[in-house]
Amino acid sequence: GENVEQHPSTLSVQEGDSAVIKCTYSDSASNYFPWYKQELGKGPQLIIDIRSNVGEKKDQRIAVTLNKTAKHFSLHITETQPEDSAVYFCAAKAQTSYDKVIFGPGTSLSVIP
Amino acid sequence: GAVVSQHPSRVICKSGTSVKIECRSLDFQATTMFWYRQFPKKSLMLMATSNEGSKATYEQGVEKDKFLINHASLTLSTLTVTSAHPEDSSFYICSAPGHGTGGQHFGDGTRLSIL
Repeated sequence: GENVEQHPSTLSVQEGDSAVIKCTYSDSASNYFPWYKQELGKGPQLIIDIRSNVGEKKDQRIAVTLNKTAKHFSLHITETQPEDSAVYFCAAKAQTSYDKVIFGPGTSLSVIP
Repeated sequence: GAVVSQHPSRVICKSGTSVKIECRSLDFQATTMFWYRQFPKKSLMLMATSNEGSKATYEQGVEKDKFLINHASLTLSTLTVTSAHPEDSSFYICSAPGHGTGGQHFGDGTRLSIL
C-alpha cells in the first residue's frame, strides 16, 4: 500500500520568510496530492492540491511542486504570516474520488512575529 | 462555509458508555464517507470507509464490533463507540469526498474523553 513520508516534523520561521515542507510517496499509482492545514481542535482543511499531470501549481502565497519521477512533492509558503501557524499534512491518493487518502505524519509550522 | 458537519464536537462520559458521533454532508450527497482517529500531535489514522447502503470497510486492526458504522442515507454516516473505555479517548474526524475533484471535505472532529 501507499506510504507517505513528510519532513520536517517541526518548522519555525520568522514572519515574512518562506517555509518549505517536503513529502515523498511510494505508490506510483497515486495521482492526486492534496495538502491540508489543521488548526488546533479543528478538522483538516484543504489548502491546495496537485494532480500527477501537472508539475507545479500556485495559489497566491502557496505553491506546490510535484516530481513524479522521484515521487516527491513539496509545499512552499511565501511571505509567511502568524496565521499560517498550524499543522500541515501532505497526502496521496490513487485514481478515484472514493479511494482513501493516505496522510503524511504532519509538520508543525510556527511563524514567529 | 462547512460542507461536512460533525456532531457532537466534544463528549465526556463514563467508562462503559456507548457514544454516537454523526457526520453529515451538507448540500451534497456522499455515498462514501471516511472515519479517522487522531492522537495528540499525530497524523490522521483511517479507521474505516463508510458505504451508503452496505457494510463499512474497516482498516486492519480496527475492531468493527467496537466501532460500529452506519451509513443509512446519502448525507449521514454515524460512528458508535460501544462500551467505551479510557483508551478509546481520542479525536475522531469524518470526511466525505469532494465533488469529483479528488479532495476530501473534513468535519471539525469530535473530542471524545472517557473517564
